Amino acid sequence: GAGVSQSPSNKVTEKGKDVELRCDPISGHTALYWYRQSLGQGLEFLIYFQGNSAPDKSGLPSDRFSAERTGGSVSTLTIQRTQQEDSAVYLCASRKRSGGPSTDTQYFGPGTRLTVL
Amino acid sequence: DQQVKQNSPSLSVQEGRISILNCDYTNSMFDYFLWYKKYPAEGPTFLISISSIKDKNEDGRFTVFLNKSAKHLSLHIVPSQPGDSAVYFCAAGVQGGSEKLVFGKGTKLTVNP
Repeated sequence: GAGVSQSPSNKVTEKGKDVELRCDPISGHTALYWYRQSLGQGLEFLIYFQGNSAPDKSGLPSDRFSAERTGGSVSTLTIQRTQQEDSAVYLCASRKRSGGPSTDTQYFGPGTRLTVL
Repeated sequence: DQQVKQNSPSLSVQEGRISILNCDYTNSMFDYFLWYKKYPAEGPTFLISISSIKDKNEDGRFTVFLNKSAKHLSLHIVPSQPGDSAVYFCAAGVQGGSEKLVFGKGTKLTVNP
């Protein structure tokens, strides 16, 4: 299929270790979003990319979190020195473009379940 | 401070009856609203949206109603089917800029055969 893919699907790590989560958006989609869903919560916005630049990083919870996007395609979310409160499902979404009609919706990947022991 | 609220964590209905899921928002800047459906271990799937210039949008069995003065929207599913059992998220956004979505906590719908 041509949907959004994420890897790994599950990641278990020890507190203090660094992790990298990957997102492959739908081909041709210029806008890419990262969200996370903690247990019992709604999805929480982390960062937005338009092409390779990130004009909105307002949702990143701390400087341990960073993300990059290369070639206007794949994105990597990196969490340094993981903490137990980082445990959540991290979801990536892509959209054909931002600034389009509201019906130009975000398509989500299946997520990466991160568990920090 | 939750800008989008879904006050019912769960809802159970009989197959064939109507399901009504509710959502309230506080930010008057929101100008479009969406409903997503999520099955376990899958990402949310877009269901239906509505712009703030409308008060109703219909797509097959799904209808979304928007009451701007009350800052309230609802999703109606008629008739409900067992396959509709999932978690439903209400989301809101502002056109222009990043258009990031603000989500509610979700309502788990169970449709009983």
